[in-house]
Amino acid sequence: NAGVTQTPKFRVLKTGQSMTLLCAQDMNHEYMYWYRQDPGMGLRLIHYSVGEGTTAKGEVPDGYNVSRLKKQNFLLGLESAAPSQTSVYFCASSQGSAYNEQFFGPGTRLTVL
Amino acid sequence: DQQVKQNSPSLSVQEGRISILNCDYTNSMFDYFLWYKKYPAEGPTFLISISSIKDKNEDGRFTVFLNKSAKHLSLHIVPSQPGDSAVYFCAASDLIQGAQKLVFGQGTRLTINP
Repeated sequence: NAGVTQTPKFRVLKTGQSMTLLCAQDMNHEYMYWYRQDPGMGLRLIHYSVGEGTTAKGEVPDGYNVSRLKKQNFLLGLESAAPSQTSVYFCASSQGSAYNEQFFGPGTRLTVL
Repeated sequence: DQQVKQNSPSLSVQEGRISILNCDYTNSMFDYFLWYKKYPAEGPTFLISISSIKDKNEDGRFTVFLNKSAKHLSLHIVPSQPGDSAVYFCAASDLIQGAQKLVFGQGTRLTINP
């Protein structure tokens, strides 16, 4: 099993450009999450999904959109990138709701110039 | 308003000694706590967790202690090994719509010296 994979690993964007980050998991998990990590801060939840076709806002959702068309994939979109979105983005998935660990992908390092 | 805080950005410990990492939280609704370990250029990996109905959970060299009245938890690693050098994140779980929303601390960089 590959676990949780993220594409791409690195990306540099110019302000105003758009892009989509792809997260895929092969563990048949229901729940998927997108986080961002900034220097000196812990991971912060952007959006999450409790199942195929569902999405919900997390702690810092502004400037991002998500889609979960297939159970194994969770996409994070930036429609008009801003320098404040320079960060490392992590995707995670989990089997159930409470009392289950989340499995994280390796991260995508995004720089917006 | 940071709900989960790790006040020590870094910690240096001699190999073989005990490492103690601390975490404080403010929201009494949190009912599940986790520790994650992170190496550079990798995603966090789960280490150990504890439910709010317990005050201690042990897994090999790792023990997590929870003091609910003080809203404080700690991770003990004994004996510490060079491979334990990493950033450790404390996280608290808040259930929303059936999903486990994790609130993370800022992390503590642990360095184990030979």
